[in-house]
Amino acid sequence: AQKVTQAQTEISVVEKEDVTLDCVYETRDTTYYLFWYKQPPSGELVFLIRRNSFDEQNEISGRYSWNFQKSTSSFNFTITASQVVDSAVYFCALSDKGNNRLAFGKGNQVVVIP
Amino acid sequence: DVKVTQSSRYLVKRTGEKVFLECVQDMDHENMFWYRQDPGLGLRLIYFSYDVKMKEKGDIPEGYSVSREKKERFSLILESASTNQTSMYLCASSSVAGVSYEQYFGPGTRLTVT
Repeated sequence: AQKVTQAQTEISVVEKEDVTLDCVYETRDTTYYLFWYKQPPSGELVFLIRRNSFDEQNEISGRYSWNFQKSTSSFNFTITASQVVDSAVYFCALSDKGNNRLAFGKGNQVVVIP
Repeated sequence: DVKVTQSSRYLVKRTGEKVFLECVQDMDHENMFWYRQDPGLGLRLIYFSYDVKMKEKGDIPEGYSVSREKKERFSLILESASTNQTSMYLCASSSVAGVSYEQYFGPGTRLTVT
């Protein structure tokens, strides 16, 4: 069973629109960590955020915000007022069982049209 | 700044060749990982290492081997390259000092096997 599901594969938006990326995860552990990474066309995955299972506070960083809801096992990511530089693949990932491994979703390709 | 480097950005090899992909990190991280990334499949873990000379199979180890002789260096070896190993290969590292196991990625090697 897939542990991290990112249902939308490709999302196109016009510049300045908001875009929300959904991430649904599955784990039986009470302690776990969730991540979002950005992969621009250059290829290198860039870490964006980490959230632990005990911290359900939403977070805002500039135009980026994250909504963590344990009740629905979701960790959604919103880009406000999108820009062309936001065009990238975004991955959600889960670390549980206290191990070293990350389970990645299949990614969301975001295309921002000028 | 954290730094993970990979020996080549692009590589073209012939079927049957032995291929070495090198990864070096300068963060003194204990854990190192090799992934391959294919369209529609996301990131899949090939092998990882949690210490020098230690290795563990990931989700798709067939056709690959690894070597970790020094803490900072983790090599991925394709013993006899095949066309189905054409892919983007990503190396990552993480520390056991933190508990969240957030991983830092290199720029990737795009390997084409002809």
